[in-house]
Amino acid sequence: TQLLEQSPQFLSIQEGENLTVYCNSSSVFSSLQWYRQEPGEGPVLLVTVVTGGEVKKLKRLTFQFGDARKDSSLHITAAQPGDTGLYLCAGLQSGNTGKLIFGQGTTLQVKP
Amino acid sequence: EAGVAQSPRYKIIEKRQSVAFWCNPISGHATLYWYQQILGQGPKLLIQFQNNGVVDDSQLPKDRFSAERLKGVDSTLKIQPAKLEDSAVYLCASSQKGSYNSPLHFGNGTRLTVT
Repeated sequence: TQLLEQSPQFLSIQEGENLTVYCNSSSVFSSLQWYRQEPGEGPVLLVTVVTGGEVKKLKRLTFQFGDARKDSSLHITAAQPGDTGLYLCAGLQSGNTGKLIFGQGTTLQVKP
Repeated sequence: EAGVAQSPRYKIIEKRQSVAFWCNPISGHATLYWYQQILGQGPKLLIQFQNNGVVDDSQLPKDRFSAERLKGVDSTLKIQPAKLEDSAVYLCASSQKGSYNSPLHFGNGTRLTVT
């Protein structure tokens, strides 16, 4: 079974700080998605990275897919209280019947 | 565009009782997914439908869980009888196409508490 390990599991920081969340696996994925989930709501897709080494930016969020397509990172610059939530990475297995495997999530709290 | 609708939002039942959840996907989305999210964990796929056919139910505990999507639109997920470990948020998601390369849109989930 392919697993995605996210670290850290919990992160509590002050507004304005930078942070990085990691998503690691020993397996190769054809693509990797990042979601944010707020309490009482479903996950919302932030970005999909497909190519090894790919970097995508979404305002203050920078997403990177590892060269070997086994890992990914999410970097947030100057975090704001509105960034608070559960961040989930999800890897798409290769092949026509590939499944989407979710990591266990990183809970981020940004204090004003 | 209306999002994925789920009901009820919350449900509290005793163990060994039965419960049903309902999901209405985004109009025109062919693929519908049911996920289980236990507190502190990521979502785990229970079942995937393509129109009214089952694509993947390999992780569905079939002795107690069942799901249907009879007309290829809305879907129900049933648990009978419920166990304490079934306490979780049940998320429904839909996508336009059959592969995961088409973005998933999630509903807000049903939070189930089994006492």
